[in-house]
Amino acid sequence: EIVLTQSPGTLSLSPGESATLSCRASQSVSSSYLAWYQQKAGQAPRLLIYGAYSRATGIPDRFSGSGSGTDFTLTISRLEPEDFAVYYCQQYDKSRTWAFGQGTKVEI
Amino acid sequence: EEGLVESGGGLVHPRGSLRLFCTASGFTFSRYEMVWVRQAPGKGLEWISYISKIDNYIYYANSVKGRFTISRDNAKNSLYLQMNSLRVEDTAVYYCARLGPDRRTDFDIWGQGTQVTVSS
Repeated sequence: EIVLTQSPGTLSLSPGESATLSCRASQSVSSSYLAWYQQKAGQAPRLLIYGAYSRATGIPDRFSGSGSGTDFTLTISRLEPEDFAVYYCQQYDKSRTWAFGQGTKVEI
Repeated sequence: EEGLVESGGGLVHPRGSLRLFCTASGFTFSRYEMVWVRQAPGKGLEWISYISKIDNYIYYANSVKGRFTISRDNAKNSLYLQMNSLRVEDTAVYYCARLGPDRRTDFDIWGQGTQVTVSS
């Protein structure tokens, strides 16, 4: 079972700054199987990035994903007020199970 | 517009049962694999069940295996989750979600969630 560990737990930043969120897997993960989600308070998660690098439909280009193997990163450049939320990474296993990291909160 | 709407949540006693519903709209439901994901209060996301397009493949997380049953009715554009032998730790918001088109690696459409509270 692959465990995803996200860091930091909380990121305190200001609008206009950049955010770098980390997701580390306990063993190597195919880049095709790594996704990122944004969840605002009281709302459902929203898919941001799939396949480690590809932005989902309608996601602005200030969101970007990178990484490979066991280390993946979500970068948010030029934070907008609406970007303050909790972000989760998620991986897929070919046995048709999915696992999430514990989340990183990006706060003002 | 593509969307999912859950219903059926509520307050139930430990060892009780509940059936959740998820209705799809704006897309051809039968062409997509579906999952249920839950989120306990103040906690992260937990995948709990998967069903293939014509329900010939079904998988569960260990935390719910043997107690929960996922099913679907493509004619009704509906996904279900039958939850039996409920425990206090099953208290959560339950989301249905659609697997991404032509891939099963991520969830591209989510419902708004339905609250399930297990308490005596």
